[in-house]
Amino acid sequence: QSVLTQPPSVSGAPGQRVTISCTGSSTNIGTGYDVHWYQQLPGTAPKLLIYTNNNRPSGVPDRFSGSKSGTSASLAITGLQAEDEADYYCQSYDSTGSEVFGGGTKLTVL
Amino acid sequence: QVPLVQSGAEVKKPGASVKISCKASGNTFTTYYMHWVRQAPGQGLEWMGIINPSGGSTSYAQRFQGRVTMTRDTPTSTFYLELSSLRSEDTALYYCARSENYFTGWFDPWGQGTLVTVSS
Repeated sequence: QSVLTQPPSVSGAPGQRVTISCTGSSTNIGTGYDVHWYQQLPGTAPKLLIYTNNNRPSGVPDRFSGSKSGTSASLAITGLQAEDEADYYCQSYDSTGSEVFGGGTKLTVL
Repeated sequence: QVPLVQSGAEVKKPGASVKISCKASGNTFTTYYMHWVRQAPGQGLEWMGIINPSGGSTSYAQRFQGRVTMTRDTPTSTFYLELSSLRSEDTALYYCARSENYFTGWFDPWGQGTLVTVSS
């Protein structure tokens, strides 16, 4: 059971907007620790998608955006494309002294 | 030049130990911290611990305390993860991932992963 909670799956048609939630608690996101997001394409290593809540690394399309409020964070993907089909993970720090991940969300493009 | 290159797949018997490596390229060996993250087949990501290349101090996830050792070799810019008393549940892909902060930072880049299979 992951410290951060994500929906197991989300789906959307090409061109649509989807959001993926990441719910934490008062010992991690709620304390103010930053949230980072990763995209893992099938058979590959995770890749940084969003850092420090809402920043995109160079090369990541602006269709991807992040936000954080209270004990939760969200990843939004607009203009959904077939190549976005992947697993997405959120990550933060927990005051128990550990980096923590969400359980991952599988995005299916219909 | 690939930033992080990991060693090849390993097959171990239950009770054995495994030591995998992660070689960093460039001149930034002591600039970044190195984390180890594992992913069991079909499962999510699990943080195992972090090593500070300057001095070699470490911090491990509680569930791996006593079984995991993270080290580094500065002359070869290589990080190592050793996991002992292996059991079938340790079968997973093991990734090294770099961060700028000791904690609370993001992981970028990641190594390509090393598959460890524990089977009798």
